[in-house]
Amino acid sequence: SAVISQKPSRDICQRGTSLTIQCQVDSQVTMMFWYRQQPGQSLTLIATANQGSEATYESGFVIDKFPISRPNLTFSTLTVSNMSPEDSSIYLCSALAQSNYNEQFFGPGTRLTVL
Amino acid sequence: QKEVEQNSGPLSVPEGAIASLNCTYSDRVSQSFFWYRQYSGKSPELIMSIYSNGDKEDGRFTAQLNKASQYVSLLIRDSQPSDSATYLCAVSEGDMRFGAGTRLTVKP
Repeated sequence: SAVISQKPSRDICQRGTSLTIQCQVDSQVTMMFWYRQQPGQSLTLIATANQGSEATYESGFVIDKFPISRPNLTFSTLTVSNMSPEDSSIYLCSALAQSNYNEQFFGPGTRLTVL
Repeated sequence: QKEVEQNSGPLSVPEGAIASLNCTYSDRVSQSFFWYRQYSGKSPELIMSIYSNGDKEDGRFTAQLNKASQYVSLLIRDSQPSDSATYLCAVSEGDMRFGAGTRLTVKP
């Protein structure tokens, strides 16, 4: 398994500002992902963070709004830009464990509230 | 559109009973199947993975996979109040797709 930490755990932000969320994995992983989860809803994949290249975004998510960095095999950041109250959500980082079993593990999440 | 369907519940069972959670998926080429448990306010925790047809048991948990019927289930024996959570089914054939989750309540 992989142990994943995220910072910050929660934040309250003003409309129009940006927040960068950090994700650190305790071992090298090939694939890292960013999800969003609204209260009572399932997980929505925002993008796959690729090491050494641009992130791959899912339909409905764009790089200008959610820029992602992946400078090495253990670290990634997600920025939520020009925030609005609709961006209030839990943002989750996950990583694919180094095995043949496609097991994905999640960080503790970042609870974002935009006023 | 590749779909993973779960009964949203809520599913309520008495303590000590068997809880049965079901999931169907639409993509026949899916190779890996997972169950995650998510407590309120926490992130999903992987509790079971299954890759071949049949049953896989781990403690009080049994995952069942039927690829012909495109169906995967999770049985929780001797349910405890601490099992009360939302259970997410996930299916992977490269990229992972999650169901909406089934909320389980185990009543003492």
